[in-house]
Amino acid sequence: NAGVTQTPKFRVLKTGQSMTLLCAQDMNHEYMYWYRQDPGMGLRLIHYSVGEGTTAKGEVPDGYNVSRLKKQNFLLGLESAAPSQTSVYFCASSYTGEPYNEQFFGPGTRLTVL
Amino acid sequence: DAKTTQPPSMDCAEGRAANLPCNHSTISGNEYVYWYRQIHSQGPQYIIHGLKNNETNEMASLIITEDRKSSTLILPHATLRDTAVYYCIVRVSNSNSGYALNFGKGTSLLVTP
Repeated sequence: NAGVTQTPKFRVLKTGQSMTLLCAQDMNHEYMYWYRQDPGMGLRLIHYSVGEGTTAKGEVPDGYNVSRLKKQNFLLGLESAAPSQTSVYFCASSYTGEPYNEQFFGPGTRLTVL
Repeated sequence: DAKTTQPPSMDCAEGRAANLPCNHSTISGNEYVYWYRQIHSQGPQYIIHGLKNNETNEMASLIITEDRKSSTLILPHATLRDTAVYYCIVRVSNSNSGYALNFGKGTSLLVTP
């Protein structure tokens, strides 16, 4: 049982390049989330999904797109990377969205945009 | 979600109990109190949560005041590996953001030998 895994762990992009971050969970969770964390700050929600085939915007969605084609995977895309997107990206999942179900986090992807 | 207030930093001697306070004076009746921690460069780790009653698990205890306006996370015997940023989060039961967690800046706990 691997829990929540993220690929890649590190990435350096040039401004304007695109990339996709992959999040996978093997706990059969319905809800999945993408957060970003900037230095010295707490996590902020980018997008989330309440089930396969559904996505919704979070607090800071601009510049990102997501897809949830399979229940176990949640992809975060950057179409045209900008230096402001330099951050650590965390994926999380939970069994349902009910507040008594805790969220499980992945190890993070450290992205630098030059 | 109700706003939380935590001290920015705390110290604790190894082997002693670490008591981390959190104020959430605007909490509503259906909002849970959650605690997560983040060890440097890792993803946040769930610790414990509660609604009204005190809770205990293998990691920690959560003490919620009777009026629910504040809570304390207790690590009974702190170790060096407990050095981390601890986040107190109040989570509403029917949030429009998919019940996402609203992280603040947390308390940086340093456990010293």
